[in-house]
Amino acid sequence: TQLLEQSPQFLSIQEGENLTVYCNSSSVFSSLQWYRQEPGEGPVLLVTVVTGGEVKKLKRLTFQFGDARKDSSLHITAAQPGDTGLYLCAGALPNTNAGKSTFGDGTTLTVKP
Amino acid sequence: EPEVTQTPSHQVTQMGQEVILRCVPISNHLYFYWYRQILGQKVEFLVSFYNNEISEKSEIFDDQFSVERPDGSNFTLKIRSTKLEDSAMYFCASSDLGETEAFFGQGTRLTVV
Repeated sequence: TQLLEQSPQFLSIQEGENLTVYCNSSSVFSSLQWYRQEPGEGPVLLVTVVTGGEVKKLKRLTFQFGDARKDSSLHITAAQPGDTGLYLCAGALPNTNAGKSTFGDGTTLTVKP
Repeated sequence: EPEVTQTPSHQVTQMGQEVILRCVPISNHLYFYWYRQILGQKVEFLVSFYNNEISEKSEIFDDQFSVERPDGSNFTLKIRSTKLEDSAMYFCASSDLGETEAFFGQGTRLTVV
């Protein structure tokens, strides 16, 4: 059973377009992280969301945690080729250690110049 | 900026041999983790370590795996008798007590031949 489902699995867009990727679950998470991973490298933390309904912005990236803390979205405005990569969401279930996270399969984003 | 460092970056070993993967977590962090990512698959939790003992482990972390914090800075993952299916990227991560996110190293690519 997939605890965290990410969609779409692949996304290819032109530079300048906007996009949204989703991370959904039937489970409630105490926190949810978004990471970006380049080929052959480790996941790099982008943001952590903790409170239901929370919205965080990181330059052109906007992260939202669902009110029920079961889902999250990542919106990128005016995508650039440098945004290309694998975007992973990872959730910590309640009563688990910080950092013991369940990862989704990821969304592979390609931004073409 | 503090970071998690892993060595070696790439290790090739013969099936049946023992390997030790090394990690230096962020210095003031208290929780340490190992994750692995088989090529093309999702990041999977292996084990978490706190206060000099394993706090949680997954089904993947069977008797051939062990972890150790031999001194105040290193955190190691030992695979006793490697199998072909152990080939993967192994990521070390660490987090601070009370934090909800983990910071990942760049990974060690283990290839078992």
